Amino acid sequence: AQKVTQAQTEISVVEKEDVTLDCVYETRDTTYYLFWYKQPPSGELVFLIRRNSFDEQNEISGRYSWNFQKSTSSFNFTITASQVVDSAVYFCALSEVYNQGGKLIFGQGTELSVKP
Amino acid sequence: DAGVIQSPRHEVTEMGQEVTLRCKPISGHDYLFWYRQTMMRGLELLIYFNNNVPIDDSGMPEDRFSAKMPNASFSTLKIQPSEPRDSAVYFCASSRGSGSENTEAFFGQGTRLTVV
Repeated sequence: AQKVTQAQTEISVVEKEDVTLDCVYETRDTTYYLFWYKQPPSGELVFLIRRNSFDEQNEISGRYSWNFQKSTSSFNFTITASQVVDSAVYFCALSEVYNQGGKLIFGQGTELSVKP
Repeated sequence: DAGVIQSPRHEVTEMGQEVTLRCKPISGHDYLFWYRQTMMRGLELLIYFNNNVPIDDSGMPEDRFSAKMPNASFSTLKIQPSEPRDSAVYFCASSRGSGSENTEAFFGQGTRLTVV
């Protein structure tokens, strides 16, 4: 069965600290996609990244970086030098089926609070 | 592009009333998804369409829920009759089928439904 686990329900850091959000997934498929979405206090869901199961290269985008490790079924998200605007709920998600990237299985989310 | 547009943003209705939520996907996207977000169950997929055809409605909780997509630019999610436990944020999302990859889904701002 497919499942996404975000064990950290809430994280609180002080501005400029680095923070890592954990994501562990379960799937029997060999082809799958992983995603991260951000839900700020305003409520919308904002796409951050997509990664397919064949590409284990880490990715960096500004202060954001992602570490994908198939061996541990993890897709962790790190924010470097966090800022107050990073405060949000972050969701990791899994998509198993070709051509249906919106058919997502979401984790429960990690609420990140960045204090000034 | 304006993104995925949902209306209304907020809806308060009395138990037993019919509620209709509306969604306009991003132009050119051929997949449309309806999700529901609650504290208890998190984000869960209700139904999705491909080229206006419902593909998987296994997430629709009860017969009280129905969804339609009469054309490529419009979809509705209807609850009749509504019940207090239907109170949630309902998201619509769309994605572009690429044939070989799961592309990311873009979400609307959601409709916050309160049934009293």
